[in-house]
Amino acid sequence: NAGVTQTPKFQVLKTGQSMTLQCAQDMNHNSMYWYRQDPGMGLRLIYYSASEGTTDKGEVPNGYNVSRLNKREFSLRLESAAPSQTSVYFCASSDPTGGYEQYFGPGTRLTVT
Amino acid sequence: GQQVMQIPQYQHVQEGEDFTTYCNSSTTLSNIQWYKQRPGGHPVFLIQLVKSGEVKKQKRLTFQFGEAKKNSSLHITATQTTDVGTYFCAGDRGSTLGRLYFGRGTQLTVWP
Repeated sequence: NAGVTQTPKFQVLKTGQSMTLQCAQDMNHNSMYWYRQDPGMGLRLIYYSASEGTTDKGEVPNGYNVSRLNKREFSLRLESAAPSQTSVYFCASSDPTGGYEQYFGPGTRLTVT
Repeated sequence: GQQVMQIPQYQHVQEGEDFTTYCNSSTTLSNIQWYKQRPGGHPVFLIQLVKSGEVKKQKRLTFQFGEAKKNSSLHITATQTTDVGTYFCAGDRGSTLGRLYFGRGTQLTVWP
């Protein structure tokens, strides 16, 4: 099992450009999450999805959109990137029957210039 | 606002010294989880505490959940250089959606 995979690992964007971060899990988990991590700020939830076809806003959703394409995949889209979105982005998944412990992907380091 | 407070933000210790990080929630939690993130890595699940007053041990690590299920602590005895990283607590408020509320983490540095 690969667990949670994320692409790309690194990305540099110019202000105003758009991009989609991809996430996939092979553990048959229902719930998936997108976090951003900034120095000293911990992990802040952007969006999450409890099941295919449903998404909910987290703590910092502005400037982002998500798509739960199917049970395996959950993508995060930046429509018009801003320097404030420079961060490390983590995708995670969990299974309610397993106690909701979250499994994280390796992260995407995004720089917006 | 911050749902789960975690202190201290940074801790520097000499190898062999003990280390403790504390977590406090503004609301009662159904359970609390702890994660470790090595430098440059991703958070990795360590343990989950569910019961009021619960204490669990993993080798040199001791985890406690408060009686009111609002606070928790992680204590490491005789730190080693392999303990370096950031430790996060994450509170579960009982939602069926699996959402966790993460503290900001304690970054531990261990000097040899």
